[in-house]
Amino acid sequence: QSVLTQPPSVSAAPGQKVIISCSGSSSNIGNNYVSWYQQFPGTAPKLLIYDNNKRPSGIPDRFSGSKSGTSATLGITGLQTGDEADYYCGTRDSSLSVVVFGGGTTLTVL
Amino acid sequence: EVQLVQSGAEVKKSGESLKISCQGSGYSFTTSWIAWVRQMPGKGLEWMGIIYPSDSDTRYSPSFQGQVTISADKSISTAYLQWSSLKASDTAMYYCARCGRTDYGMDVWGQGTTVTVSS
Repeated sequence: QSVLTQPPSVSAAPGQKVIISCSGSSSNIGNNYVSWYQQFPGTAPKLLIYDNNKRPSGIPDRFSGSKSGTSATLGITGLQTGDEADYYCGTRDSSLSVVVFGGGTTLTVL
Repeated sequence: EVQLVQSGAEVKKSGESLKISCQGSGYSFTTSWIAWVRQMPGKGLEWMGIIYPSDSDTRYSPSFQGQVTISADKSISTAYLQWSSLKASDTAMYYCARCGRTDYGMDVWGQGTTVTVSS
């Protein structure tokens, strides 16, 4: 049972938009910055979004992040088959003094 | 290029000890926390702990406290994760990552080290 809650899977057609949610509490998302990570099978995770909504250099603007209260979302527009991957949210938990991750969401581009 | 390079895959038996490594390059190794993250087969990411190589300040997740030891040698820009007595349940992929963003956001990841423990 992960501290942050994500849907196990989402799917959408190529070219469409998808939103992946990440729900937490005041001790984690509510008072800390959220990061999002993308992981393809057999490879290391990669930072996709940091500080709730910032993109590292090289990440296309099809990827966006937002946060409201104790929830965060990752949005992906113009879906491509190459976006099929697992996506994780993560942040610091001030009460537990640890970093916590969501359980991960598998994106399928139909 | 900023990168973290991890040591190779390990196959061990239950009860054996193990130390895996993560060497940083392309940046000042002592100025960012390094995290260790476990991923068991077919499962999600689990944060194990972090170390600040400059002074070896170390924090552990309660789930891993006492189960592993995180250390670093700043003279060779290398962080370590070690076990004194492996269990079959330690079989997993282990990643190191640089915490280069706010609230320990991990911006650079190692390629991962597979640890397989047989009983």
